[in-house]
Order: sequence, then structure tokens, then C-alpha cells
Amino acid sequence: DQQVKQNSPSLSVQEGRISILNCDYTNSMFDYFLWYKKYPAEGPTFLISISSIKDKNEDGRFTVFLNKSAKHLSLHIVPSQPGDSAVYFCAVGGGKLIFGQGTELSVKP
Amino acid sequence: DTAVSQTPKYLVTQMGNDKSIKCEQNLGHDTMYWYKQDSKKFLKIMFSYNNKELIINETVPNRFSPKSPDKAHLNLHINSLELGDSAVYFCASKGTGGIEQYFGPGTRLTVT
Repeated sequence: DQQVKQNSPSLSVQEGRISILNCDYTNSMFDYFLWYKKYPAEGPTFLISISSIKDKNEDGRFTVFLNKSAKHLSLHIVPSQPGDSAVYFCAVGGGKLIFGQGTELSVKP
Repeated sequence: DTAVSQTPKYLVTQMGNDKSIKCEQNLGHDTMYWYKQDSKKFLKIMFSYNNKELIINETVPNRFSPKSPDKAHLNLHINSLELGDSAVYFCASKGTGGIEQYFGPGTRLTVT
């Protein structure tokens, strides 16, 4: 049973617009929520995180929102750039991370 | 400088063989992990070591044996390889008090 779900396997966005990636989880006991970005033939790269005591964390063009009551996490990228095209994974937990299955983002010029 | 490195990057071998994948991190981290990414792209944790001690062992067949000679290295040895072992294996590390894990580039294992 998947504890972390990314229901959109792919997303296509125009350059300069906002990209919104979504993630749902089942266990309300998770403490930390993270987003990773992965290019082909490379390992995942950490992007941004948020703890369960916050509902928003921002780092440059990347903002993560946490809705604990809905058990929902989202990543906003604005403005989107072609170099953002990659697979994005959400991960939840603490010492042990549980990953979603990823959303492939394509940013078109 | 590469923070988390893995060797080899590609490994093609036959069923029944024994193989090892090596991982090294130069970040000074205390905790290291092995993950498996299967054909459905799920990243699943296999093992975690903290200061050379095993702290997480998911339901992985005992043909897989991790070994940590020191806290900068975590190697994965696989005995009697099976077709279902074909996957990309990622090593990762994490510092004390940190949340984010830093991943290596992955090792694509193909069992024929």
C-alpha cells in the first residue's frame, strides 16, 4: 500500500508560467516533507523541505506548501524555466524517507 | 568534488553470479543508505547504517548484504543474482541533525 502518492505522472508547462506538483500522503505522523529533483542518469538532488510545524517554505523560485489536514504537499515553481525539466519526487518521513513515484515536468520554451 | 560516489555506474551480469556495488561519501556524514529504484520508478529504502551500525533493514532478501568498513563507505554485496534484481541502486548519506539525504549517481544493474 502506497503511503505517498504523486497522482500525476507527467506535467507540461510553458516557460515563465507556474508549475504545481502535488503529493498526497496517508500517515499523519510524518515529521518532514521533502522535494527532490532528478535528471536522467543522475541521482536525486535535494530541492526544498518543510517540517510538520509549518505550512509554507520558500527558497527562490521554489515554494513548498503543506496542508496537514488534507495530508497534501505541493511544490510551486515560478517562473518555470526549461532547465527545470526533470522528474520531481516528494519524500516524507524523518530518518527513513518514503518516496512518491515521481512526476515528470516538461517546461517548454 | 563528488560528494557521494558509486562504482560501477553500469553492471551487466548473469543470473547466479555474485556482485558488489561500492559507495563512498566525502561529506563527513554519519548515516548512509541504499535504495532500489525498480522498473516502476519507485525509490525504496533497503538499508541504513549509522556510524557503521545497521539501523534500518527493510524486507530485503538475505542475498543482499550491506557492509560498512567505516562511516564514509557503505558497500552492497548481492549473492546469487536473479532477474528481478535488475534495477538502479542508489546510495545516499545524511548528516547528524539533518533531514535531507544526498544521493549518489546510481548503479544500473542488469541481470541476464
